[in-house]
Amino acid sequence: AQTVTQSQPEMSVQEAETVTLSCTYDTSESNYYLFWYKQPPSRQMILVIRQEAYKQQNATENRFSVNFQKAAKSFSLKISDSQLGDTAMYFCAFMPNNAGNMLTFGGGTRLMVKP
Amino acid sequence: DSGVTQTPKHLITATGQRVTLRCSPRSGDLSVYWYQQSLDQGLQFLIHYYNGEERAKGNILERFSAQQFPDLHSELNLSSLELGDSALYFCASSVASGVQETQYFGPGTRLLVL
Repeated sequence: AQTVTQSQPEMSVQEAETVTLSCTYDTSESNYYLFWYKQPPSRQMILVIRQEAYKQQNATENRFSVNFQKAAKSFSLKISDSQLGDTAMYFCAFMPNNAGNMLTFGGGTRLMVKP
Repeated sequence: DSGVTQTPKHLITATGQRVTLRCSPRSGDLSVYWYQQSLDQGLQFLIHYYNGEERAKGNILERFSAQQFPDLHSELNLSSLELGDSALYFCASSVASGVQETQYFGPGTRLLVL
């Protein structure tokens, strides 16, 4: 079974600064997908970014980028130029290539962006 | 707005009762997924349907069942409710059933069992 660990329950960052959220996972699979989802106070789950394990290039979406280290089974999210609207819970999620599209989520990191 | 709709937004009921949660996927999406988010269990996958057929089951209790109808909307039925079933239930959808498909989440149904 796969497990996803987010070791930082809470983090804070000043507006306009950069913050990195950590995620590690455990799997014996070689092909899989990784995701970061954002859950603001509204509770809506919003996709932030995805990474295919077979791609060596790190994914980037505007101010959001990942550092994917396959050998270390690490998948961190970097948020640049943090904005107040980035305040939310962030969940790292793993999807293996052969398990019925089941997403396995980490426990989440609560990020507070301070003005 | 992801395009996935869920009704009702909130549901309050008593132990032992039965409720039905409804999900309409994004236009064109054939896959529907159900997830449960609770304080003690976190976010857990329950079940996946593709074009009316069950594709995968996760940690779904026997008291829970789901189906996907010909118009592709899905319902999650929860019966003999217990206090521990109180949670936020999410529906997500994707275009097909391939693992490369990104899942888009609805706003969730918050269930409170008293």
